[in-house]
This record gives sequence, C-alpha cells and structure tokens, in this order.
Amino acid sequence: NAGVTQTPKFQVLKTGQSMTLQCAQDMNHNSMYWYRQDPGMGLRLIYYSASEGTTDKGEVPNGYNVSRLNKREFSLRLESAAPSQTSVYFCASPPGQGSNSYEQYFGPGTRLTVT
Amino acid sequence: QKEVEQDPGPLSVPEGAIVSLNCTYSNSAFQYFMWYRQYSRKGPELLMYTYSSGNKEDGRFTAQVDKSSKYISLFIRDSQPSDSATYLCAMKSGGNKLVFGAGTILRVKS
Repeated sequence: NAGVTQTPKFQVLKTGQSMTLQCAQDMNHNSMYWYRQDPGMGLRLIYYSASEGTTDKGEVPNGYNVSRLNKREFSLRLESAAPSQTSVYFCASPPGQGSNSYEQYFGPGTRLTVT
Repeated sequence: QKEVEQDPGPLSVPEGAIVSLNCTYSNSAFQYFMWYRQYSRKGPELLMYTYSSGNKEDGRFTAQVDKSSKYISLFIRDSQPSDSATYLCAMKSGGNKLVFGAGTILRVKS
C-alpha cells in the first residue's frame, strides 16, 4: 500500500514549456487535491476533485488545468510555465468528504523550477 | 489580511523545553482545527485534530482551540530533536477546503 504517489520528483522547465504532474492513490478514496507550497505562503489549494469526473477550483487555479482520469489518478497540467509557478507541488487525498476531509494524506511532492 | 496567520519562525529551543506554537484566524465559520507536521523534503502528516473549542491531548502534544479569540495553539512537552520539523496549522468549515497557515519551523537542539 503506497498511499499517494507523485511523479516526477524534480523537474526544471523553461518559460513557456508545458508539463503534466501525475498523482495516484491506492486507498480507494473519492477525493483528491492539488496544492502548491511556497516559502512564507503555506499550502495553497490549486484544484480539487470530490469524485471521479468532477473538479473544482481552489484558491490559485490560474495557469493550471487538471484531469481526474479515474478514481486513482489526478493530474495537474501547466500549459505554458512561468517563473511564478516555481514551487513544490503536493497531491493529497482524504478518506472522507465535507466534515471528514480534515485528514489529508499527502504525497512526497514534486519540486518544479521554471527558468 | 490572510485568513490564517502563523509566525514562520524559525523557533529554536533546547531539548526538553516546552514548545508553544500558535495561529490566529479571521473566519468565524471555521469549526475543524488541525496541526500537520512536515519533515524536510516530505509531505505534511496530520498530527492533531480538534473539533470546535477545547483541548485535546495525545502523549507529549496538546492542542487548544479558543474560538472566542480565534486563536489555536499546539504545545509540545519534553521536546526532542526528532520534533524538529515545520508545523502547519490548518482549518476548515463544513466544506471540502482546508486553509493552511504559513508553517512554523521548529528546531530542537540536543
């Protein structure tokens, strides 16, 4: 049982390049989340998916798109990377929804640098 | 003004000290209050969870919530070098979204 896995672990992009961050969970959870973590800013929600086939914007969705491919996988795409998107990206999945979404299981993160 | 304010530190204490970590918030709709611990280059892990006001104790850790003051605290007794990490407070109302503080870096010196 691997929990939440993310690929790649590290990535360097040039401004304007595109890439997709992959996330998978093997806990049979319905919900999945994407966050970014920047110094002094904490974790900020980019997008989340309450169930397969649904996605909702979080606090900082601009410049990102997501796909909930199936119950296990939730991908985050940067269509045209900008230096402001340099960050550590975390995928997370709670076992419940609503009042039961407080416990989020996080992946190991993807460190992205955009030059 | 951010919804959740947390002093980023770093906070440096000697081994065995009592540590106090705090967050303030502005949204009175928050009902669920969490503390996550994040070791260097790892994802956060849930450490403590409290619903509404009151105290909760788990071993050396105590979480306190004062909704009237919009203030939450995490106390660590007999701190150990293994407690060195970033501590993130997080809060939510009844919905699906959590709001995190900036995180406080704690260093416990042996």
